[in-house]
Amino acid sequence: AQSVTQLGSHVSVSEGALVLLRCNYSSSVPPYLFWYVQYPNQGLQLLLKYTTGATLVKGINGFEAEFKKSETSFHLTKPSAHMSDAAEYFCAVSDGKNYGGSQGNLIFGKGTKLSVKP
Amino acid sequence: EAGVAQSPRYKIIEKRQSVAFWCNPISGHATLYWYQQILGQGPKLLIQFQNNGVVDDSQLPKDRFSAERLKGVDSTLKIQPAKLEDSAVYLCASTLTIGDTQYFGPGTRLTVL
Repeated sequence: AQSVTQLGSHVSVSEGALVLLRCNYSSSVPPYLFWYVQYPNQGLQLLLKYTTGATLVKGINGFEAEFKKSETSFHLTKPSAHMSDAAEYFCAVSDGKNYGGSQGNLIFGKGTKLSVKP
Repeated sequence: EAGVAQSPRYKIIEKRQSVAFWCNPISGHATLYWYQQILGQGPKLLIQFQNNGVVDDSQLPKDRFSAERLKGVDSTLKIQPAKLEDSAVYLCASTLTIGDTQYFGPGTRLTVL
């Protein structure tokens, strides 16, 4: 069965510092992997996704993630944190169900709340 | 392009009462999802519609939860009767078709007292 583990429910960084949010997955099929961001009182917004091809994926707002099959990881990074990055971040994996070849439904991790200190 | 709309944004009820949530997906999106997000957890899929048909409702507690999408556009999610553990944010999402990027609404925060 597919599952996602996000290490660290809270991460705090200083403005301008590196952001690293960790995600490990378990999947019985080649995974599709996603990172979503949720700002307070808002819905989730897709940051980036990995389906096939290049393992380093670039997303919006300067974020990127690297798919490492050997480590079953999909960590999210940003070289320099900005105050506006403060939010909750969710890693997700597709559930492996085949809907006509598509990615299936999403299984989310518990989320990591990112705080950015001035 | 208008996003996914949900109402109400907040709802407080007492246990054993009934409640309904409404979702209007992005125009033209055939696939609609309802998620439950309990505080401190990631969203969990409750039900998925393709047009007005149910694709996946395996995690919907059918003894108290029901959902419909009669005309293949708007959808309602109902809880009857509510329990304390139903306190959560209920998110609606839509996609153009199955497998596309999901667009989420702002959610309805339900508090059951």
